[in-house]
Amino acid sequence: SQQGEEDPQALSIQEGENATMNCSYKTSINNLQWYRQNSGRGLVHLILIRSNEREKHSGRLRVTLDTSKKSSSLLITASRAADTASYFCATDENAGNMLTFGGGTRLMVKP
Amino acid sequence: DAGVIQSPRHEVTEMGQEVTLRCKPISGHDYLFWYRQTMMRGLELLIYFNNNVPIDDSGMPEDRFSAKMPNASFSTLKIQPSEPRDSAVYFCASSLRQTQYFGPGTRLLVL
Repeated sequence: SQQGEEDPQALSIQEGENATMNCSYKTSINNLQWYRQNSGRGLVHLILIRSNEREKHSGRLRVTLDTSKKSSSLLITASRAADTASYFCATDENAGNMLTFGGGTRLMVKP
Repeated sequence: DAGVIQSPRHEVTEMGQEVTLRCKPISGHDYLFWYRQTMMRGLELLIYFNNNVPIDDSGMPEDRFSAKMPNASFSTLKIQPSEPRDSAVYFCASSLRQTQYFGPGTRLLVL
């Protein structure tokens, strides 16, 4: 089974609305990352949050981490049509730089 | 930097043929990862290297798959013989620390 599981699997909103995606994981982590994948492209790193951090911001992105619940959320504020993509959370394992990716949330932002 | 480079971008082959996918990581990165992405299975880690040495190949589906990294700037993923169920998008990614940088992927179709 996958380490990270995103919820919901798909989300459709209107431009200007906020989008919230959630990720749950099973084991202890050092950090959690969020990536974006546009259709037909490779994944692009968005933000990293360490296990001792609870919240992090980057532009219109806000990530929270609750290690007691083994969950994280990604909030995109004031969404734009260009935010349409799949969003993945990824958690680190014990060794090296290996990441385990969840199944992703497909976000559609309608203009 | 040009980012991670993968070739070919698209490959169509017939069952039983040998397929070789190529990857050039970002210069200076010491980790290299090969992933496979399908609708059914999502993003799967196949194998990863650290300083050109394979660290974990437990994700390689079977003996038909093999990967090499002869030097820090080049890696190959070979499928021999290929089967229709190998049809997927194959991504290469490299990293220096926790963040992974993905290539554009190779879309493989095995007929």
